[in-house]
Amino acid sequence: DQQVKQNSPSLSVQEGRISILNCDYTNSMFDYFLWYKKYPAEGPTFLISISSIKDKNEDGRFTVFLNKSAKHLSLHIVPSQPGDSAVYFCAASARYGSGNTGKLIFGQGTTLQVKP
Amino acid sequence: DTEVTQTPKHLVMGMTNKKSLKCEQHMGHRAMYWYKQKAKKPPELMFVYSYEKLSINESVPSRFSPECPNSSLLNLHLHALQPEDSALYLCASSQLLTGAGQPQHFGDGTRLSIL
Repeated sequence: DQQVKQNSPSLSVQEGRISILNCDYTNSMFDYFLWYKKYPAEGPTFLISISSIKDKNEDGRFTVFLNKSAKHLSLHIVPSQPGDSAVYFCAASARYGSGNTGKLIFGQGTTLQVKP
Repeated sequence: DTEVTQTPKHLVMGMTNKKSLKCEQHMGHRAMYWYKQKAKKPPELMFVYSYEKLSINESVPSRFSPECPNSSLLNLHLHALQPEDSALYLCASSQLLTGAGQPQHFGDGTRLSIL
């Protein structure tokens, strides 16, 4: 049972345009969401996160939107650059009982290609 | 300094060998994690340590044995592995257990091949 889903395996965008990566989740206990970028032969790099008490978080060219009622989040990259070409994973974590477990559940990833 | 350092970068071992993977961070983080990642798949959690104590073992076979000797160091001891254990092994750390405001930071991993 996949609790975090990225339904688009790949996305191709022209340089300078907006990239929108989507992620859906099923577990209503998730309260913290993260986006990671991964280049080949490197570990995932943390990009941006959002707590469930917010609906938007922005950091430079990266903005994450959270729609709790739809259990959906998205990552917007504006403007897209060729160096953004990578695999993007969304991830979620939940508080159980009185504390955090530390467990991150990852989506399957979306490969973004930004064409010059 | 926001680095998680993993050694070795590559490891080839036979099924009867004993080897260890090492992970180090000097960010003062008190939570550390081991993940396994197969090609074209997301990372899968194996173990979580919080304040040098094991808090989660995701039903990992006993041929994988984690160890956290101090707050900066995390080891993964390997023994009698199977070919299907070939994968990228990632270490991560976070200031405290991941929750609101506590992202995990990953190393570049050890690429493990079992002959």
